[in-house]
Amino acid sequence: AQSVTQLDSHVSVSEGTPVLLRCNYSSSYSPSLFWYVQHPNKGLQLLLKYTSAATLVKGINGFEAEFKKSETSFHLTKPSAHMSDAAEYFCVVSERDMRFGAGTRLTVKP
Amino acid sequence: GAGVSQSPSNKVTEKGKDVELRCDPISGHTALYWYRQRLGQGLEFLIYFQGNSAPDKSGLPSDRFSAERTGESVSTLTIQRTQQEDSAVYLCASSFMGGQRIPYEQYFGPGTRLTVT
Repeated sequence: AQSVTQLDSHVSVSEGTPVLLRCNYSSSYSPSLFWYVQHPNKGLQLLLKYTSAATLVKGINGFEAEFKKSETSFHLTKPSAHMSDAAEYFCVVSERDMRFGAGTRLTVKP
Repeated sequence: GAGVSQSPSNKVTEKGKDVELRCDPISGHTALYWYRQRLGQGLEFLIYFQGNSAPDKSGLPSDRFSAERTGESVSTLTIQRTQQEDSAVYLCASSFMGGQRIPYEQYFGPGTRLTVT
């Protein structure tokens, strides 16, 4: 069965600095991988997805993620954080169904 | 088009009562998921429906929890004899299911906030 581990429960960055949210997965097959974002008191929104096409995936709001099979990782990055990026981020791995990581809370300091 | 809808948006119930939560998926989505999100925590998978296949109930925390889905439409999650630890936001999501049973991204409903007093 598939599983996903988000390596940091909380990440804090200053506005304008890079963001790195780490995700490692375990899967028996070639998985699909997703990142979702959840802003306070709002629903979950898809940021980006990997489905065995290009290993570098670009998403909304300047985020991107790179699928590295050798490292079983799918880390989420953004070159320059914005205050509006403060939210909870979930990495998701999917074989038949979808399993969410525990989440990483991103704080952006002015 | 219309997204995933859930009702009620908020539910307050007394300990020991039964509750029923409803999810209307996006039309045409064959896969439907239920999750639980406790305050400040991640999503906990509960159950998954795909077409007419037997549902994956591996995430249901106890036999007080059950869910049904009629065809590829509405789903209901029922919690019997509610306990205070059942207090959480219950999220429903739906998705297409592509070839080789590869799921596309999930679209989430707004959730039902359940409070058990």
